[in-house]
Amino acid sequence: AQSVSQHNHHVILSEAASLELGCNYSYGGTVNLFWYVQYPGQHLQLLLKYFSGDPLVKGIKGFEAEFIKSKFSFNLRKPSVQWSDTAEYFCAVTPAYSSNTGKLIFGQGTTLQVKP
Amino acid sequence: GAGVSQSPSNKVTEKGKDVELRCDPISGHTALYWYRQSLGQGLEFLIYFQGNSAPDKSGLPSDRFSAERTGGSVSTLTIQRTQQEDSAVYLCASTTGGPYTGELFFGEGSRLTVL
Repeated sequence: AQSVSQHNHHVILSEAASLELGCNYSYGGTVNLFWYVQYPGQHLQLLLKYFSGDPLVKGIKGFEAEFIKSKFSFNLRKPSVQWSDTAEYFCAVTPAYSSNTGKLIFGQGTTLQVKP
Repeated sequence: GAGVSQSPSNKVTEKGKDVELRCDPISGHTALYWYRQSLGQGLEFLIYFQGNSAPDKSGLPSDRFSAERTGGSVSTLTIQRTQQEDSAVYLCASTTGGPYTGELFFGEGSRLTVL
């Protein structure tokens, strides 16, 4: 079965520190990849997505992610975090071509706490 | 409103009772998803509706769970004979196509507490 694994469950950083959140998936075929973010008290929203092309994708608020096919990974990065980045981050994957379903599988989530 | 609307926002029920959770997707969105968010468990896929196709029910945890989507719009998730382990936030999301065409738009969720 397809699965998504986020290795870091809880990350604590100081402002201006660099961030990298790991994400690995188990599906062997062509995939579309996403990072979603849930700020405290808000609903989930899309941070960035990868469908094809340049494996380094840029999203909102200075976030970027790199798709490494050989490692089945899609790690999220930000060079310098801000207190406002405190949130829960979810990696998600779906097969790019599916005859039966458009099911989107999410990882367990990583809680990021940024200290001012 | 312009977003995905879910009701009730909070529901407290007793073990063994049935509950219904409602989702109003964004107008024109053909795909609708239900997820369950439990502490430390991330987002667990429950069911997916795409247009008039048969729904993907592969994520429903037991036969106590069912969902329907009427007229290609509003969806209701029903949990029969609720158990304490059903306590979670139930999230609904919609999109114009499948996730391979665009992003999912999530509602605020319905928090279910089973006593």
